[in-house]
Amino acid sequence: QVQLVQSGAEVKKPGASVQVSCKASGYTFTRYYMHWVRQAPGQGLEWMGIINPSGGSTSYVQKFQGRVTMTRDTSTSTVYMELSSLRSEDTAVYYCARAKDDILTGDVHAAFDIWGQGTMVTVS
Amino acid sequence: EIVLTQSPGTLSLSPGERATLSCRASQSISSSYLAWYQQQPGQAPRLLIYGASSRATGIPDRFSGSGSGTDFTLTISRLEPEDFAIYYCQQYGNSPQTFGQGTKVEIK
Repeated sequence: QVQLVQSGAEVKKPGASVQVSCKASGYTFTRYYMHWVRQAPGQGLEWMGIINPSGGSTSYVQKFQGRVTMTRDTSTSTVYMELSSLRSEDTAVYYCARAKDDILTGDVHAAFDIWGQGTMVTVS
Repeated sequence: EIVLTQSPGTLSLSPGERATLSCRASQSISSSYLAWYQQQPGQAPRLLIYGASSRATGIPDRFSGSGSGTDFTLTISRLEPEDFAIYYCQQYGNSPQTFGQGTKVEIK
């Protein structure tokens, strides 16, 4: 079945970096955009950016520019999100989420139909 | 950036009742690129509605979405026990994509 499996919880010191992985299975990895969304404790959802697993191109929310890097490894169908210069406000659950429409449709705009289980990142 | 405002913040209803959730955008959302998600405690969000009114795969027909432009509505026709959760709207037509702050549907 189609699923996204993320790496485990992390505890980091302020100023450190964290890398979260998201392994896709059950579909053609390079045919669907992948997004990253985070959720601080008790708060709402915040979109961080998007990666094209085929070519590797990315687009990040301006708020995270310079601190976030999204990459992919097509050999393992895995996307990665690295966030640097961590501060306490980055404490959150980080989700990867697949865009529901095939990249070949030509429309980058798509809702998120498959989500990873989430990775808790604690900065303390 | 498009700001999405959801109302009410909390909806207290009984099983079997109808729930009506609102999502208002600060500017028109192109091509109805509006989605609704349900989130249960400790779980990832689940896609319910996309394109403002299309149900996602496997979503029961008691869930329906409507609206266009700046005003959108999610309706749950008859609440089931598993429907008590937090609901988020999302616009994915403009960058940055944004989410509403959520509406909690709780048991009265």
